[in-house]
Amino acid sequence: DAGVTQSPTHLIKTRGQQVTLRCSPKSGHDTVSWYQQALGQGPQFIFQYYEEEERQRGNFPDRFSGHQFPNYSSELNVNALLLGDSALYLCASSPGLMEDTQYFGPGTRLTVL
Amino acid sequence: QQQVKQSPQSLIVQKGGISIINCAYENTAFDYFPWYQQFPGKGPALLIAIRPDVSEKKEGRFTISFNKSAKQFSLHIMDSQPGDSATYFCASRFSTPLVFGKGTRLSVIA
Repeated sequence: DAGVTQSPTHLIKTRGQQVTLRCSPKSGHDTVSWYQQALGQGPQFIFQYYEEEERQRGNFPDRFSGHQFPNYSSELNVNALLLGDSALYLCASSPGLMEDTQYFGPGTRLTVL
Repeated sequence: QQQVKQSPQSLIVQKGGISIINCAYENTAFDYFPWYQQFPGKGPALLIAIRPDVSEKKEGRFTISFNKSAKQFSLHIMDSQPGDSATYFCASRFSTPLVFGKGTRLSVIA
């Protein structure tokens, strides 16, 4: 049973560019959450998707947007990249909107130059 | 403000010793308290979790102690091994996504 998968593993972009990160949830999971983890910090919640809708959002600007597809996979888009967007972006899935347990993927390391 | 404060920031323990990491939370509505383990270059992996209706939960060498009145919970790693060297995060939630502490870097030395 494959766990949460994310692509790409690493990504290098320049300021002002746009980026799209992808996530496939664990089999049987329909809820996807995205987190940003800056170096030396704990993950911070960006937003959560369920039934192809954004259900909750953390304290992140509108430059961060997302999408969930009918097969439950998800994308995170970041526009107008800033140096401060450099971080590990983590996707977590769970088998339901109210389920406590979340399983994390390996993350995508984004570097903005 | 929903915060989870974690200490210490780093910890060095001898092989076979007990590692103890502490967390304190503010929101009394939190009702789920997991601990995650993260190795360099990897995503966090769920270790063990507890709900406030019990004061302690043990799984193998890992134990969570929970003090509801003090709004604190801790992770104890018994018989610590070099393979336990990683960063540990506490977290909390109540019908919200997880709120994480800043992490504790554990080094277990032989």
